Amino acid sequence: EPEVTQTPSHQVTQMGQEVILHCVPISNHLYFYWYRQILGQKVEFLVSFYNNEISEKSEIFDDQFSVERPDGSNFTLKIRSTKLEDSAMYFCASNRQGANYGYTFGSGTRLTVV
Amino acid sequence: AQTVTQSQPEMSVQEAETVTLSCTYDTSENNYYLFWYKQPPSRQMILVIRQEAYKQQNATENRFSVNFQKAAKSFSLKISDSQLGDTAMYFCAFESNAGNMLTFGGGTRLMVKP
Repeated sequence: EPEVTQTPSHQVTQMGQEVILHCVPISNHLYFYWYRQILGQKVEFLVSFYNNEISEKSEIFDDQFSVERPDGSNFTLKIRSTKLEDSAMYFCASNRQGANYGYTFGSGTRLTVV
Repeated sequence: AQTVTQSQPEMSVQEAETVTLSCTYDTSENNYYLFWYKQPPSRQMILVIRQEAYKQQNATENRFSVNFQKAAKSFSLKISDSQLGDTAMYFCAFESNAGNMLTFGGGTRLMVKP
């Protein structure tokens, strides 16, 4: 069964450093998403992406965050200057038909900012 | 804004027994979608079941079924014949008909005991 692949599984970075999280969505999917889950808290929506542009973003997704689909297969989340509170699990997801049909999630990247 | 509440942080059930996980939500919308996701220790979020709010019939997927009470804004998940592999975090999630993002509940940790 097709999978959404995320790398790395665990990333440790120093506060203030830039970090890029990588995702390879399912190949025929058109809609892409990032969610995050701070330890012990809810899974929160960050951003959705369709047709090479952001379609929706949350308040969390401020100027420090950006997304890109550089080569038609990868979908990256960049955090420009990481803060301690950015430590979380970051999940990438994709779906083919857009809203309402359920998403395929990746296994997540655990980001630890020290 | 929508909110999703899961009032049971942890539950346990004996193997082969039936367990029901609760979820309530708040919305002013009439058309929307509800989901249950499973997150096993492998961390990947797996779609368990999906319900369309305009359908009165409760969704069923093998051993998993829902009790959707639209007026009460309740969406519980019943797992029949529980198996050890059902041990996981279970998240209830809401998506509006027009939206492009999931709103998650806080999760219920389910332990299936042999």
